Formats: sequence, structure tokens, C-alpha cells
Amino acid sequence: GAVVSQHPSWVICKSGTSVKIECRSLDFQATTMFWYRQFPKQSLMLMATSNEGSKATYEQGVEKDKFLINHASLTLSTLTVTSAHPEDSSFYICSARETGEVSPLHFGNGTRLTVT
Amino acid sequence: AQSVAQPEDQVNVAEGNPLTVKCTYSVSGNPYLFWYVQYPNRGLQFLLKYITGDNLVKGSYGFEAEFNKSQTSFHLKKPSALVSDSALYFCAVPGNTPLVFGKGTRLSVIA
Repeated sequence: GAVVSQHPSWVICKSGTSVKIECRSLDFQATTMFWYRQFPKQSLMLMATSNEGSKATYEQGVEKDKFLINHASLTLSTLTVTSAHPEDSSFYICSARETGEVSPLHFGNGTRLTVT
Repeated sequence: AQSVAQPEDQVNVAEGNPLTVKCTYSVSGNPYLFWYVQYPNRGLQFLLKYITGDNLVKGSYGFEAEFNKSQTSFHLKKPSALVSDSALYFCAVPGNTPLVFGKGTRLSVIA
């Protein structure tokens, strides 16, 4: 089945630094990928839709200058948390879907970001 | 707007007993419904989906879900629970975002 690989699985960084998270579709091409954030004991919150070759679409309330998304190829999207602060600490999950609205979303294993 | 509701935050069941995780939906048009499972510190794994056809959908790890149009429900079931089934379960439906998720139900299977 379709596999989405996300790296790193966890990262600890200091306040003010930037962190890049990679999301790859391993055996299918994804013109669109999705970035979610999950707070403890809560459901997933869609942050942005990453579009290959064009600008990402951000959900309301998500700072596009803080959460930079690049989708340079059909198999890779990156999320960079810039000038990270402790409140950015969270679990970030990417996903991608094979063609078709009713195809299931495939998720990466998530990245646990801790900002100290 | 498309939405799903998971009325239970937590479900506890003894190992070997049948389990049910509830989900109700509100959609316009034909419902496409999904179940996902999330293990600790992991992403979501697809379990099963309902598109059309048989109301009983079989999925991964022995799970199944029953689509009930009159009750607008899509409950997840398993005849005999395993301790390893303990996880967070999400019901979902396509919406303006790629998927609209329920709030999740934490399943604890007790040995």
C-alpha cells in the first residue's frame, strides 16, 4: 500500500531556531500533501495544504511566515517551523492521498517537536 | 457542512470481549466514511472506508464497521478485542478540508 515517510520522528530545538520536517510519498506521486498539528488528547488540526509547484494554502489562523511549506517535487513536501517558540511544541503529521476524493489519506508517523 | 461525531471520549473493554466505537455523521449527498487508528506518538493508520455497497465493511486488523443510513451511524466493531487494539480511533468524512475528523475515542483493552 501507499506509504508516507516523515522525518525526523522527534526533534528538540532551542527557542529562536528553525526546524525542518520532511514528508515523502514513497510509492506514489502526490501533487497535494497536507500538514496537520495535533495537541495532546485532541484531534488533528489541518494547518495547510501543500501544492506541488505552487504556494501552500494555509488554514485560518495559521501563520504562513512561521510555518513555511515547500513542495518542490511530486514526492516531497517540507514544513519549516521558523523562529520556534515553546508554544510551537506539538506533534506535526503530514499526509498525502492517491488520486481520487474517496482514496484514503495516508499519514506519516508524525514529528514530535519540543522547543526549549 | 460535513461532520462526524464521536460521542465517547473513552471506551474500556476487557480482552476477548466485543468492542464498539461509535460514530455518527452529518453529510450532504452520498456519505464517504473512514476510520483511522492512531497509536502513541505515531501518525494515523487507515482501517477501513465506506463508499457504497454492503453496509458491513471489513477492514484491517479484524475491524469492521456497520453503515446505518437511518441512524446516520458508522460504528466501528471488532468481535474479540486484543490488548494491542488499545489506541486512539478517529472517524472521518471528506469535507472542505481533505478529511474532517471526529474528536477521537480512546480505546483501552484490559487484560
